[in-house]
Amino acid sequence: QQQVKQSPQSLIVQKGGISIINCAYENTAFDYFPWYQQFPGKGPALLIAIRPDVSEKKEGRFTISFNKSAKQFSLHIMDSQPGDSATYFCAASKETSGSRLTFGEGTQLTVNP
Amino acid sequence: NAGVTQTPKFQVLKTGQSMTLQCAQDMNHNSMYWYRQDPGMGLRLIYYSASEGTTDKGEVPNGYNVSRLNKREFSLRLESAAPSQTSVYFCAGEFGTGAVYGYTFGSGTRLTVV
Repeated sequence: QQQVKQSPQSLIVQKGGISIINCAYENTAFDYFPWYQQFPGKGPALLIAIRPDVSEKKEGRFTISFNKSAKQFSLHIMDSQPGDSATYFCAASKETSGSRLTFGEGTQLTVNP
Repeated sequence: NAGVTQTPKFQVLKTGQSMTLQCAQDMNHNSMYWYRQDPGMGLRLIYYSASEGTTDKGEVPNGYNVSRLNKREFSLRLESAAPSQTSVYFCAGEFGTGAVYGYTFGSGTRLTVV
């Protein structure tokens, strides 16, 4: 059972455009929602994270939008660059440290020059 | 400071063979995790260890065993490899506390079972 569902599976965006990746979760006990970025041949790396007490978090060109009532959250990449081409994973967990992250299926983003 | 180191990077096994994937961290992580990554399925948790000497099953533990003999090392063993275990395996250590925490992943082991 996939507790965190992610879409789209793949995304192609032109340089300078906005990339949007969506995730939906089922477990209302989840209270921590990070996004990970993975480049080919590397392990995923933490990109940005949000807790449900805020509806938006922004770090540079990356923004997480969170809708608690809909149990959805999304990653927006503004002014997308070819260097942003990677696989992105959303995730969720119930607790803080010591918890187990449940990951979405992943989105392969390609930003064309 | 290497972070999380996995060995080997690549491995080909025949069905029925056994092997151990090694993971070592130098970041003083208490919790460590083993995930497998398959196309379209994201990262699925195999086993995790909250502290030295303790391990627990994750989402897909069948066919695997783990060992956490000390704080630095967390190994994953396949006793009798099957083609369904062809995957990329990632070890991770947990960092941070409270408001922000996350995983430091190794670079992965790409395993093919023929």
